Amino acid sequence: AQSVTQPDIHITVSEGASLELRCNYSYGATPYLFWYVQSPGQGLQLLLKYFSGDTLVQGIKGFEAEFKRSQSSFNLRKPSVHWSDAAEYFCAARSGGYNKLIFGAGTRLAVHP
Amino acid sequence: DGGITQSPKYLFRKEGQNVTLSCEQNLNHDAMYWYRQDPGQGLRLIYYSQIVNDFQKGDIAEGYSVSREKKESFPLTVTSAQKNPTAFYLCASSIGSGVGDNEQFFGPGTRLTVL
Repeated sequence: AQSVTQPDIHITVSEGASLELRCNYSYGATPYLFWYVQSPGQGLQLLLKYFSGDTLVQGIKGFEAEFKRSQSSFNLRKPSVHWSDAAEYFCAARSGGYNKLIFGAGTRLAVHP
Repeated sequence: DGGITQSPKYLFRKEGQNVTLSCEQNLNHDAMYWYRQDPGQGLRLIYYSQIVNDFQKGDIAEGYSVSREKKESFPLTVTSAQKNPTAFYLCASSIGSGVGDNEQFFGPGTRLTVL
C-alpha cells in the first residue's frame, strides 16, 4: 500500500542550528512529493514540492529538500533555524491519477532560544 | 485576496446532532477536498470533488456527507452516524484533480468538538 512515513514525532533544536526532517515514501513509482507546514490551529502552507528534474528543491522560508530515489526519501532541511520555524511539518505524496495526497503523521518542531 | 475560507473556526455539537461545516473558495478551482486531522495521524481524506455536481468518497467517508452545487462551495455535513467526530477539519482546493502541477491550497480549518 502507498504510504508516507515521518520517523520523528518531535524534534527540538536550538535557534541557529541546522535542521533535517526525515520523510520516506512507499510507492510503486516515483510520486509527486510535498512538504507542508502548519502553525497551531491553522491550515497548511506549502513549503516546496518535487515533481521531476533537479533532485534538490528550494522552497519558501529558506527551506530545501532533496529527493533520493535510492533511499525513497525526501528530507527537508534548513541551515539555520529561527524561533518562528516552530510548527508541525507534514510530508505528503501523490501518485498519478487523481489528486489524492497521502500524508505522513507529521513532525512537531520545537526551537529553543 | 483569493483564498479559501472555512467557517466557523470553532464548533460545538451535542451527540446525535448533524452539523455542517462551510468551505468557500474564490480561486476558481475545479477540485475541492475535505480532510480530517487527528493528533499523531496526519490528514486523512474524507471526500473530494473534481467538478461541480460530482464528488467521490475518500478513505474515511462513513458518517459524512457533502454536496457540490456551486464551484466555489463544498460544505461538509458531519452526521450523527460518525462515531468519533471530534477533530480538526481542513478544506482544500486545487486547479484540477488530474496529473500535473496540482498544488492543493488549504483553508484555516474548523475545530469540531462533540459535547
